[in-house]
Amino acid sequence: GQQLNQSPQSMFIQEGEDVSMNCTSSSIFNTWLWYKQDPGEGPVLLIALYKAGELTSNGRLTAQFGTTRKDSFLNISASIPSDVGIYFCAGRAHSGYSTLTFGKGTMLLVSP
Amino acid sequence: DAGVIQSPRHEVTEMGQEVTLRCKPISGHNSLFWYRQTMMRGLELLIYFNNNVPIDDSGMPEDRFSAKMPNASFSTLKIQPSEPRDSAVYFCASNRRTSGETDTQYFGPGTRLTVL
Repeated sequence: GQQLNQSPQSMFIQEGEDVSMNCTSSSIFNTWLWYKQDPGEGPVLLIALYKAGELTSNGRLTAQFGTTRKDSFLNISASIPSDVGIYFCAGRAHSGYSTLTFGKGTMLLVSP
Repeated sequence: DAGVIQSPRHEVTEMGQEVTLRCKPISGHNSLFWYRQTMMRGLELLIYFNNNVPIDDSGMPEDRFSAKMPNASFSTLKIQPSEPRDSAVYFCASNRRTSGETDTQYFGPGTRLTVL
């Protein structure tokens, strides 16, 4: 089945630093999504990408849909303590009733 | 508006007991998804329904797991008999599928299941 490789697994940074994480796939996806999960909660959608090459921002977050359609990147600028959580990428390969495939997540810790 | 509602939030049971997890999707959503999350395997899709009909249950681990959606506002995931390896956080998610797009799935808060 499809698999998403998400890296890094975890990051421990200082407040104010920028963060980058990425997802790669062995197969093509036509949708990429980025979710954040806070402790004890379910994942919440941050950014959705629908076209190869698309670059989309949501506040301090910026995500890109790779031109090969096999990867996506999420950047967080000027991190703050509330950015702590697990970030998941998810991809959808086909339209219609296809489901999402999730990466294993990147745990982000931010030191004040 | 209320989000996806799951109950119970925490469940501790003994091996061999039956466990029933409940989900109320967001009103107006016509697709519902059950996921399992563990450290080792991440988020795994177990089953999903569209218009109350199971579309893909290939992620259900074995016959001990069953899911139902008797109406548009309620779904259950049942494990019988439960085993320690079923310990995980189980999420329900819903979305409203319309022609041509998004998979903006809205997740519930999850049920943390511990089987002793």
